[in-house]
Amino acid sequence: GESVGLHLPTLSVQEGDNSIINCAYSNSASDYFIWYKQESGKGPQFIIDIRSNMDKRQGQRVTVLLNKTVKHLSLQIAATQPGDSAVYFCAENGVDSSYKLIFGSGTRLLVRP
Amino acid sequence: DADVTQTPRNRITKTGKRIMLECSQTKGHDRMYWYRQDPGLGLRLIYYSFDVKDINKGEISDGYSVSRQAQAKFSLSLESAIPNQTALYFCATSRWAGGQETQYFGPGTRLLVL
Repeated sequence: GESVGLHLPTLSVQEGDNSIINCAYSNSASDYFIWYKQESGKGPQFIIDIRSNMDKRQGQRVTVLLNKTVKHLSLQIAATQPGDSAVYFCAENGVDSSYKLIFGSGTRLLVRP
Repeated sequence: DADVTQTPRNRITKTGKRIMLECSQTKGHDRMYWYRQDPGLGLRLIYYSFDVKDINKGEISDGYSVSRQAQAKFSLSLESAIPNQTALYFCATSRWAGGQETQYFGPGTRLLVL
């Protein structure tokens, strides 16, 4: 079935460096994508979203890139800080008319001091 | 997100017991969801509801039931808890936005079934 997956389960970066978290999706019909951040002991929190009619969207220190040709989504975090340490999930809207979100398995970001 | 609350936050129960997890929201959203999360894994959908009279099974509904008592409340029950239901449970809400809706999550309930 359709699924959302991630290339790297764990990413370790030096504080101050930029982080790139990747996500591959298989449903070419998906037209809405979200990145969530989940800190230890907390529920997932919305970071940024993007619609399929865009290829880039920027937020505060975060940028999401969408490449529909290869069905790839990435989250870029500039000047990574210790508070960015968390698990990051990508999600896409579902293939049926209910538009339920389908979540990937997550990437853990570790920020080294 | 304080707009979505879950009770209890932690629960230890024994095999065979029936338990209920509660979710309340003050966001005024029509859609509510229950997910479970296992260590190292993503979120799996158990049940969802788009309205007070609407209940739908997710991908892992066996062993669970839900009740949407009001727009703001969505409860999850484990009819007869078993150890492999030990997990972190999240409630989420959203508002219909034509396929571009964002889900907002509660803080989670950590359940241990002995």
